[in-house]
Amino acid sequence: AQSVTQLGSHVSVSEGALVLLRCNYSSSVPPYLFWYVQYPNQGLQLLLKYTTGATLVKGINGFEAEFKKSETSFHLTKPSAHMSDAAEYFCAVIGGFKTIFGAGTRLFVKA
Amino acid sequence: DVKVTQSSRYLVKRTGEKVFLECVQDMDHENMFWYRQDPGLGLRLIYFSYDVKMKEKGDIPEGYSVSREKKERFSLILESASTNQTSMYLCASSPRQSGRFEQYFGPGTRLTVT
Repeated sequence: AQSVTQLGSHVSVSEGALVLLRCNYSSSVPPYLFWYVQYPNQGLQLLLKYTTGATLVKGINGFEAEFKKSETSFHLTKPSAHMSDAAEYFCAVIGGFKTIFGAGTRLFVKA
Repeated sequence: DVKVTQSSRYLVKRTGEKVFLECVQDMDHENMFWYRQDPGLGLRLIYFSYDVKMKEKGDIPEGYSVSREKKERFSLILESASTNQTSMYLCASSPRQSGRFEQYFGPGTRLTVT
């Protein structure tokens, strides 16, 4: 069965610092992987996705993620944090008809 | 742009009331989903539907039912609301096209049951 683990329920970075949000997955088939972002009082919005092909995936707002099969990881990064990046981030994997979401990581950005 | 709308942003109901949450999408998506979101638990799937009048139970269907009479509309029903159903409810839709599994979410309904 597919599953997703996000390491760290809260991450705090300074403005301008590197953002790294960790996600590990378990899948018995080649995975389809996603990162979603949720701003306060809003629904989730797709940041980026990996289906097949290039393992480094670029998304919106300067985020990118790298699919590493050997490490079963799909970590999300951004070189320089901005105050507007403060939100909750969810990693997800497709499991049959369903999308399996991680528990979420809340990103805090300090001025 | 895909738009998913939910009938209410905030809702307060009493224990035992019947509650209807409505969701409408405007992109002709075949698949629709209802989730509840609770702190530390992420999103948990309640029900989903891959076609009109079709429904499948998700991971936590107890205490809920759904209705999909039209392709664009997917309703979540709490037959007899209880305090443990206080939560954020998110509706989502996705196309059936192969390789397109991303979901599009509504803004959510924060339901409080007192």
